[in-house]
Amino acid sequence: GQNIDQPTEMTATEGAIVQINCTYQTSGFNGLFWYQQHAGEAPTFLSYNVLDGLEEKGRFSSFLSRSKGYSYLLLKELQMKDSASYLCAVMDSNYQLIWGAGTKLIIKP
Amino acid sequence: DGGITQSPKYLFRKEGQNVTLSCEQNLNHDAMYWYRQDPGQGLRLIYYSQIVNDFQKGDIAEGYSVSREKKESFPLTVTSAQKNPTAFYLCAVGAASDYNEQFFGPGTRLTVL
Repeated sequence: GQNIDQPTEMTATEGAIVQINCTYQTSGFNGLFWYQQHAGEAPTFLSYNVLDGLEEKGRFSSFLSRSKGYSYLLLKELQMKDSASYLCAVMDSNYQLIWGAGTKLIIKP
Repeated sequence: DGGITQSPKYLFRKEGQNVTLSCEQNLNHDAMYWYRQDPGQGLRLIYYSQIVNDFQKGDIAEGYSVSREKKESFPLTVTSAQKNPTAFYLCAVGAASDYNEQFFGPGTRLTVL
């Protein structure tokens, strides 16, 4: 079966750095997405990785290792507004997105 | 004003009633999707459509129905056969191509009493 694992919840301090991990086992691989979702709202796109390596976009970076079935989202200079759930999703061989359950990130002052 | 609209934001229905959730987009994307989100779970695909007049079942299609009569609209009907309909329903759109970033509407929270 297809499976995506993320930690359920993480806590970090304002101004610090946090890394959210995602491991996956899917039928094929056509890219990995990270989305941010604030409570009660729709997910919004953060990043896309299809090749191994690090993609940097401002305070957010995403890393992919296809051989290990592993990705992480790195958030720097954390702000209170970064408190949200972070969803990892993998596009499988049928070009459908398989979603993890999300990681709830709590930022403390 | 461009984007994806879902209405209403909150919807209450009595058990045993069918209810239709709307999803409209003016982004000119071919593909449209319906997801269900429950607390502590990932998004689960209900139905998707990659072209007008065609749609496919997702992982949890039982108790739901859809139509795709025009490109802009992809309504979802939650029927009385759906055993646990209370959930947050999200509509998404994307390009029907191999790069498939999906854009989400604001969602409808359905509560069945």
